[in-house]
Amino acid sequence: TQLLEQSPQFLSIQEGENLTVYCNSSSVFSSLQWYRQEPGEGPVLLVTVVTGGEVKKLKRLTFQFGDARKDSSLHITAAQPGDTGLYLCAGARGNQFYFGTGTSLTVIP
Amino acid sequence: KAGVTQTPRYLIKTRGQQVTLSCSPISGHRSVSWYQQTPGQGLQFLFEYFSETQRNKGNFPGRFSGRQFSNSRSEMNVSTLELGDSALYLCASSPLPGLASSYEQYFGPGTRLTVT
Repeated sequence: TQLLEQSPQFLSIQEGENLTVYCNSSSVFSSLQWYRQEPGEGPVLLVTVVTGGEVKKLKRLTFQFGDARKDSSLHITAAQPGDTGLYLCAGARGNQFYFGTGTSLTVIP
Repeated sequence: KAGVTQTPRYLIKTRGQQVTLSCSPISGHRSVSWYQQTPGQGLQFLFEYFSETQRNKGNFPGRFSGRQFSNSRSEMNVSTLELGDSALYLCASSPLPGLASSYEQYFGPGTRLTVT
């Protein structure tokens, strides 16, 4: 059983559309990170959120940490083909990070 | 600054054999973590090393082991390979150990291990 569940598991959208990816848990995390992974590569860190309710924006990407620090969301505005990849959330709990199940995003030109 | 490097990138082994994977962290980084990534289980934490000492260990059998050298380079070893060990093994480096609020991990490209 995964500590962090992501939804949806797969997402295929047209260029220019908006989307939201969710990362949910029943556990509390001291911080949460989002990564993007492309085929044949390791995950690349996008953002770290630490405070409950925190919102961070990175160009067209908006990240939110839930008030109770149990969940997070990633919203992409006007998706582009370059956004294609596997999006992973990772929560810090105890002395390690627990990764989510991943959301595979495909943006069609 | 060079990124995290992992060797080899691809490896094919037979059941029962053992394998050693290598990871060179970013220069100046002293913490190295190892993860296993499979389609079914996703990314799972194996262990973390800092200053040649294992600080944390995930829930994997004793067949999985690792070590870190004085130059921060790390190796992981899997003995008596099983078909289920086929996975992408990722190494991540960080300047600091543990979970500081600004903790950042930098991943290497991984080693794709196939067990036949």
